[in-house]
Amino acid sequence: ELKVEQNPLFLSMQEGKNYTIYCNYSTTSDRLYWYRQDPGKSLESLFVLLSNGAVKQEGRLMASLDTKARLSTLHITAAVHDLSATYFCAVGKLSNAGGTSYGKLTFGQGTILTVHP
Amino acid sequence: DAGVTQSPTHLIKTRGQHVTLRCSPISGHKSVSWYQQVLGQGPQFIFQYYEKEERGRGNFPDRFSARQFPNYSSELNVNALLLGDSALYLCASSLVKVVADNEQFFGPGTRLTVL
Repeated sequence: ELKVEQNPLFLSMQEGKNYTIYCNYSTTSDRLYWYRQDPGKSLESLFVLLSNGAVKQEGRLMASLDTKARLSTLHITAAVHDLSATYFCAVGKLSNAGGTSYGKLTFGQGTILTVHP
Repeated sequence: DAGVTQSPTHLIKTRGQHVTLRCSPISGHKSVSWYQQVLGQGPQFIFQYYEKEERGRGNFPDRFSARQFPNYSSELNVNALLLGDSALYLCASSLVKVVADNEQFFGPGTRLTVL
């Protein structure tokens, strides 16, 4: 069974500081996704990482994927208050049931990020 | 373009009751997946439907069922509600069947509270 683990689960940062969220997964994956969720809201897609060595950046966030280590990272540069949210990584994997292929996302527990002035 | 829509936004039920949640995918998307997100946890996969057929099912009891209509909208039904069914139910749509290869777009969710 695929397991996805994030750490840290809670992250309190000062504005202007850098930090990294780690996402480990237990089996080979087809895709790796990062989502942001604000309190009471749905999931907002941040990044889709497709292959080993993939790196994507958007503003102060940069995501990378190492499929050999089964590790993805989400790096935050010079944090600002607006980045406060819960961040999830999710592994997309093809599965088979009754001869039918389907795909699903398996999510990590989420990292609650709070950025303080 | 309208994104994924879900109704209702909030719902309060009592134990033992039945609930129906609805989802309309992005226009052109044929795959709909349902996820349950309990407070403080990541979403858990419940079902995937593609072209009106169930393609995948997560580790949920038979009290949970779903269907997809010819217009690709979907309903999630939960019978004999338990307190533990209280959660945010998320619907996600995708262009193709094999959602592992294709990005899923999530709706705003339905917040279900079971008293």
